[in-house]
Amino acid sequence: DQQVKQNSPSLSVQEGRISILNCDYTNSMFDYFLWYKKYPAEGPTFLISISSIKDKNEDGRFTVFLNKSAKHLSLHIVPSQPGDSAVYFCAASATSGTYKYIFGTGTRLKVLA
Amino acid sequence: DVKVTQSSRYLVKRTGEKVFLECVQDMDHENMFWYRQDPGLGLRLIYFSYDVKMKEKGDIPEGYSVSREKKERFSLILESASTNQTSMYLCASSTRAPRADTQYFGPGTRLTVL
Repeated sequence: DQQVKQNSPSLSVQEGRISILNCDYTNSMFDYFLWYKKYPAEGPTFLISISSIKDKNEDGRFTVFLNKSAKHLSLHIVPSQPGDSAVYFCAASATSGTYKYIFGTGTRLKVLA
Repeated sequence: DVKVTQSSRYLVKRTGEKVFLECVQDMDHENMFWYRQDPGLGLRLIYFSYDVKMKEKGDIPEGYSVSREKKERFSLILESASTNQTSMYLCASSTRAPRADTQYFGPGTRLTVL
């Protein structure tokens, strides 16, 4: 049972436009969420996080939105750049008593020059 | 700067061989994790350790074991490698915060079992 889902396996966006990557979760105990970016032949690198006490967190070109009632989060990249082309994973954690994250299946973003 | 290193980037083994994957972190992190990444399945947790000599099963521990004799080192062991264990293996570490903290990943080991 996939508790964290990224329903779009791939996404193509023109350079300079907005990229929106989506993530849905089923476990209402999840209260901390992260996005990771992964280039081929490299490990994932942390991008941005959000706690369930917030509905938005911004870091430069990257913004994560959390809709707790819909159990949905999204990552917005504005403006998109060719260097953003990578696989993006969302991850969720129920922070009471565990250090585990549940990862989504990933979305491959391609930013076209 | 956090550094997580893995002993091999690429590894080819034969069915039935015993395989050791080593991971070392230099940030004095308490928690260490082993994942495998497969197309369409994302990252799946195999085992994690929150202290020396402590380990807990993740979501897919079957066919694997782990060892954590020192804080900085976490080993993944495939007792008898099988072809369905061909995958990208990723090690990660994190601090033991009151809440789950950011995990830092190594570059990965691509294991092929023939």
